[in-house]
Amino acid sequence: AQSVTQPDIHITVSEGASLELRCNYSYGATPYLFWYVQSPGQGLQLLLKYFSGDTLVQGIKGFEAEFKRSQSSFNLRKPSVHWSDAAEYFCAVGSGGATNKLIFGTGTLLAVQP
Amino acid sequence: EPEVTQTPSHQVTQMGQEVILRCVPISNHLYFYWYRQILGQKVEFLVSFYNNEISEKSEIFDDQFSVERPDGSNFTLKIRSTKLEDSAMYFCASNEQGRYGYTFGSGTRLTVV
Repeated sequence: AQSVTQPDIHITVSEGASLELRCNYSYGATPYLFWYVQSPGQGLQLLLKYFSGDTLVQGIKGFEAEFKRSQSSFNLRKPSVHWSDAAEYFCAVGSGGATNKLIFGTGTLLAVQP
Repeated sequence: EPEVTQTPSHQVTQMGQEVILRCVPISNHLYFYWYRQILGQKVEFLVSFYNNEISEKSEIFDDQFSVERPDGSNFTLKIRSTKLEDSAMYFCASNEQGRYGYTFGSGTRLTVV
């Protein structure tokens, strides 16, 4: 069965520092991979997605993620974090097929120190 | 940018009562979904809907739950007899082709007391 693991429950970084949020997935075929961000009390906003092609994908708000098939990973990165990036980040894999339901990880809560 | 709209943003209901959560998906989208997130837990798939019928549902989506697209624009989730454990944030989402990134609504926080 498909699954997503986000090993870091909570991460704190200083403003201006670089960020990497880890995501590992389990999926039999080529996965559809997503990163969503959720600010407190808000909905889920799509940051970026990977379906095929270039394994380094660019998203909104200066985020990028790299798909590494050999490591079953899709880590999210940002070179310089802003205080407004404090939020919860969810990695998800699409189940494929017509429905393509999303299977989410447990999320990583990012805190940004001034 | 087109949005998925959910109403109400917060609903409080008594245990055993019926509740209907409403969503207006993006107009040219064909696939519709409900997900839920119990406080502090991950987002979980409930049901997908395409061509006026359920295309897939999870184990959570039991006989107490139903979905409907009554008028071609709204997409509703009904819980027939709410339980305390139904308290969660419920997200509606829509998708143009089923395979690509969804657009999620901002959620309805359901509190069952």
